[in-house]
Amino acid sequence: KNEVEQSPQNLTAQEGEFITINCSYSVGISALHWLQQHPGGGIVSLFMLSSGKKKHGRLIATINIQEKHSSLHITASHPRDSAVYICAVRLSADGLTFGKGTHLIIQP
Amino acid sequence: ETGVTQSPTHLIKTRGQQVTLRCSSQSGHNTVSWYQQALGQGPQFIFQYYREEENGRGNFPPRFSGLQFPNYSSELNVNALELDDSALYLCASSDGLAGDRPDTQYFGPGTRLTVL
Repeated sequence: KNEVEQSPQNLTAQEGEFITINCSYSVGISALHWLQQHPGGGIVSLFMLSSGKKKHGRLIATINIQEKHSSLHITASHPRDSAVYICAVRLSADGLTFGKGTHLIIQP
Repeated sequence: ETGVTQSPTHLIKTRGQQVTLRCSSQSGHNTVSWYQQALGQGPQFIFQYYREEENGRGNFPPRFSGLQFPNYSSELNVNALELDDSALYLCASSDGLAGDRPDTQYFGPGTRLTVL
């Protein structure tokens, strides 16, 4: 069982829709990362969360430490938001453990 | 732009060969991590270097090795390449004390390695 589970695996929506991507993890963590990966591979760090909620433009990330769950929301989605969104956590002093990613397609 | 660069962008090798991938960290970052991302999968942690010493390792065999230099550039070396080593290799740098506190990771664009 993967220690970081994301859902859905694939999501296709229409431009303007409100998008939610979920991430669950199995053990206590110090921080959770939301990352965006475009075709070609480059990864951009969107958020790093230890508690509560963060907002950047149309992106909102929340985390519930007790429930070991985080969500990434996109408001007023746009085709340029199409990408793979990856949740990652630090389980130990080692590097990040990643989910498999959510492949998001926003259609015009 | 994260300030993290990797070279080469793409590389084709044959089974049994050796490869060196390079990463130049963002200025001032003393921690670098390397990840392997197979097609359709999330990245997998290979190892992490902090101030030129290996500071953590994932489930990868010893033929995966690394170096970090005083100027915070680093290398990933893979010996005796196997077909399954074909993947995108990502490095990420940060300025956190390794493992001591949450720190933002800055990822490079990756090197896509194909092993034939």
